[in-house]
Amino acid sequence: SQKIEQNSEALNIQEGKTATLTCNYTNYSPAYLQWYRQDPGRGPVFLLLIRENEKEKRKERLKVTFDTTLKQSLFHITASQPADSATYLCALISSGSARQLTFGSGTQLTVLP
Amino acid sequence: GAGVSQSPSNKVTEKGKDVELRCDPISGHTALYWYRQSLGQGLEFLIYFQGNSAPDKSGLPSDRFSAERTGGSVSTLTIQRTQQEDSAVYLCASSTYGTATQPQHFGDGTRLSIL
Repeated sequence: SQKIEQNSEALNIQEGKTATLTCNYTNYSPAYLQWYRQDPGRGPVFLLLIRENEKEKRKERLKVTFDTTLKQSLFHITASQPADSATYLCALISSGSARQLTFGSGTQLTVLP
Repeated sequence: GAGVSQSPSNKVTEKGKDVELRCDPISGHTALYWYRQSLGQGLEFLIYFQGNSAPDKSGLPSDRFSAERTGGSVSTLTIQRTQQEDSAVYLCASSTYGTATQPQHFGDGTRLSIL
């Protein structure tokens, strides 16, 4: 069956370090992958989109990689700050279903001052 | 406002009652989505509207759930004869077009509690 898995444990890191979050998928052929940030009591906010033919995408302190061979996306936050603490969700768009996003359950990141 | 607006923000009701949840998408966005998020879970797709096309209802969990979108703008999600397992946060999102490359803009959701 189709499955999206993100870091199962909450991730705690020290301020200034690089946070790396993992999104693994099985039985999908995603054409695109998106990352969202969700704060408590709020809706998700779009961060980045990466296409299947792109290896890497950057936006300010954020970097996303997409390895279709490993069926994995990595989400990096460099020079992390306490304000980066949130839940981060990956979402796939399968090539056969351009309208629907399928979300992972998210990774809760805490950046400690 | 400039964002997606959902109302009410919280709703507590008794089992067996009907509830209506409202979503005001961003003006001009043709695509509108409803999701459900249970505690500690990812977002579960419910239904998708794109312009005047027939909605994609493939994610609705039972026939107690229905949604409509009037005039291509405001949408209402209705849950009839609510059950305790319907307790969740119901999120609405809109996008410019219903294509894979468009980011989805979410409201802050309606937190539904069934007693």
